[in-house]
Amino acid sequence: EIVMTQSPDTLSVSPGERATLSCRASQSVSNNLAWYQQKAGQAPRLLMYDASTRAAGIPARFSGSGSGTEFTLTITSLQSEDFAVYYCQQYTNWPPMYTFGQGTKLDIK
Amino acid sequence: EVQLVESGGGLVKPGGSLRLSCGGSGFTFSNAWMSWVRQAPGKGLEWVGRIKSKTEGGTIDYAAPVKGRFTISRDDSKNTLYLQMNSLKTEDTAVYYCTVCRHGFDFWGQGTLVTVSS
Repeated sequence: EIVMTQSPDTLSVSPGERATLSCRASQSVSNNLAWYQQKAGQAPRLLMYDASTRAAGIPARFSGSGSGTEFTLTITSLQSEDFAVYYCQQYTNWPPMYTFGQGTKLDIK
Repeated sequence: EVQLVESGGGLVKPGGSLRLSCGGSGFTFSNAWMSWVRQAPGKGLEWVGRIKSKTEGGTIDYAAPVKGRFTISRDDSKNTLYLQMNSLKTEDTAVYYCTVCRHGFDFWGQGTLVTVSS
């Protein structure tokens, strides 16, 4: 089973600054990697898929990179609405499985 | 606008059963791959299972913790996804989300809370 590990668990950043979130897979997942944002009391929202493609309606300040086992979500010029929990998620064809990381909480410094 | 609305959650005793429903609109339901994802209180996200569209085989896959106890099905004539949950355990307590899985989990419902407790 592929294990997804996110770091750090909590990241404190000031509004207007850049945030860099990391996600590591225990074995290669190619570019089958997605990122989600979840605010308190809400359902998650898809931000990125295929490691670096922004989902519809996602602002350009969000970008994703990486392949294989190391992935990064970068948020430039943080806005107040960006402070939330972020999850990475991988997909494997066989066995069919979707696995999430434990999440990174991005909070206001 | 894509909308997913879950229903059927509630309180159930360990060993009991519950069936969740998810109605979809704003997209071609019959062409969509659909998944259930759950989130225990204060915890992270966990994939439960997925059903492909009938035109792509209708294959159903489950996560190990629920395999043999949960059953996913769909009624494309009603634009509805189901999750039949049997032999429920306390660790199944969670908010259950219905999702459209295309590129990732592209669209999510608001979730329905299932509490398994005596």
